[in-house]
Amino acid sequence: AIQMTQSPSSLSASVGDRVAITCRASEGIRNYLNWYQQKPGNAPKLLIYAASTLKSGVPSRFSGSGSGTDFTLTITSLQPDDFATYYCLQDNDSSWTFGQGTRVEV
Amino acid sequence: QVQLQESGPGLVKPSENLSLTCSVSGYSIRSGYYWGWIRQLPGKELEWLGTVYPDGTTRYNPSLKSRLSISPDTSKNQFALRLNSVTAEDTAVYFCEGSIYAPLDFWGQGILVTVSS
Repeated sequence: AIQMTQSPSSLSASVGDRVAITCRASEGIRNYLNWYQQKPGNAPKLLIYAASTLKSGVPSRFSGSGSGTDFTLTITSLQPDDFATYYCLQDNDSSWTFGQGTRVEV
Repeated sequence: QVQLQESGPGLVKPSENLSLTCSVSGYSIRSGYYWGWIRQLPGKELEWLGTVYPDGTTRYNPSLKSRLSISPDTSKNQFALRLNSVTAEDTAVYFCEGSIYAPLDFWGQGILVTVSS
């Protein structure tokens, strides 16, 4: 199975900061990479799919990039509502796998 | 508006079988795309369990394939998960999901399942 390595596992940031989270696949996955945001007690929410396509309604301060094995989720100008845990998911393989998550905290 | 809702027991004894149902509203599961289950372990790790297509075709996580079954009930607009011979390691929050416009773009609220005697 394809392994997804996400980094960092947690980070401290302040409102207004630029934040970058990376996800590395153990083998090439083209652009079959998606990003989710989860807040405590809630289900994850899709932010970005196909590596760089923003889901409708998601603020434009979120962006995704990458292809092959290396991917990045960037949040420009972090807002209070953005403090959460972020996960990547690869859907290139017939068996989907998540990264281990990145907690963004104050 | 697509909504998903999980239902089932919150407590299952070790070695017994876990059965969960996901009820879908606002979209017909006959219409295509795929539906599936994800679980979140106590350490917060997310684990993809498997996917079912409206025609009944399935894909499963290889680590669970021997114990897992996911099936659609198009007459009720539901799909179900069955996990056999559970152990404490199967304790988790179980989410059902729909991948309609993108992977995992719709989720249920989740149901906590505890495996304990």
